[in-house]
Amino acid sequence: DQQVKQNSPSLSVQEGRISILNCDYTNSMFDYFLWYKKYPAEGPTFLISISSIKDKNEDGRFTVFLNKSAKHLSLHIVPSQPGDSAVYFCAARRSGSARQLTFGSGTQLTVLP
Amino acid sequence: KAGVTQTPRYLIKTRGQQVTLSCSPISGHRSVSWYQQTPGQGLQFLFEYFSETQRNKGNFPGRFSGRQFSNSRSEMNVSTLELGDSALYLCASSRDRGYQETQYFGPGTRLLVL
Repeated sequence: DQQVKQNSPSLSVQEGRISILNCDYTNSMFDYFLWYKKYPAEGPTFLISISSIKDKNEDGRFTVFLNKSAKHLSLHIVPSQPGDSAVYFCAARRSGSARQLTFGSGTQLTVLP
Repeated sequence: KAGVTQTPRYLIKTRGQQVTLSCSPISGHRSVSWYQQTPGQGLQFLFEYFSETQRNKGNFPGRFSGRQFSNSRSEMNVSTLELGDSALYLCASSRDRGYQETQYFGPGTRLLVL
């Protein structure tokens, strides 16, 4: 049972344009969401997070939107840069589960120069 | 501030052997979690330790175990290795001061079981 889903395995965008990565979840107990970026043979790097009491969080070029009623979140990267090319993972955590993260399967973002 | 460190970075073992992986969290971080990444199953939670106690455990067989020391460093052990245990093993640490804590990952240990 996949509780966190990233339905797009890959996404290509032109440098300077917006990248939008999507994530859906099924467990309504999730109350904290994180996005990580990962390069091959490296650990995930934290990008941005959002609590379920918010619907938007911004940090520089990265913005995460949360739609609780749709159980959907998205990561916007504006403007996209070639260095953003990596696999992006959405992760969710539910209160009471200590630090257990449930990850999506990832989306490979390629930013074309 | 140094990040999460994991040793060794690469390891080759044969079926039936056992292996111990080590994780040193960021200074001041008391929670350490372990994850397994494989191409087929993605990133899956193994277990989490806090104050030398296992606080949470994922759906892995008993061959996978761990422990945490008083300095928050953690080890995980896999006994009777199987080919399917070949994976990238990641550890993550956090301060554990609230539910909005961020977890920071180490570079991982790549284990190959032959």
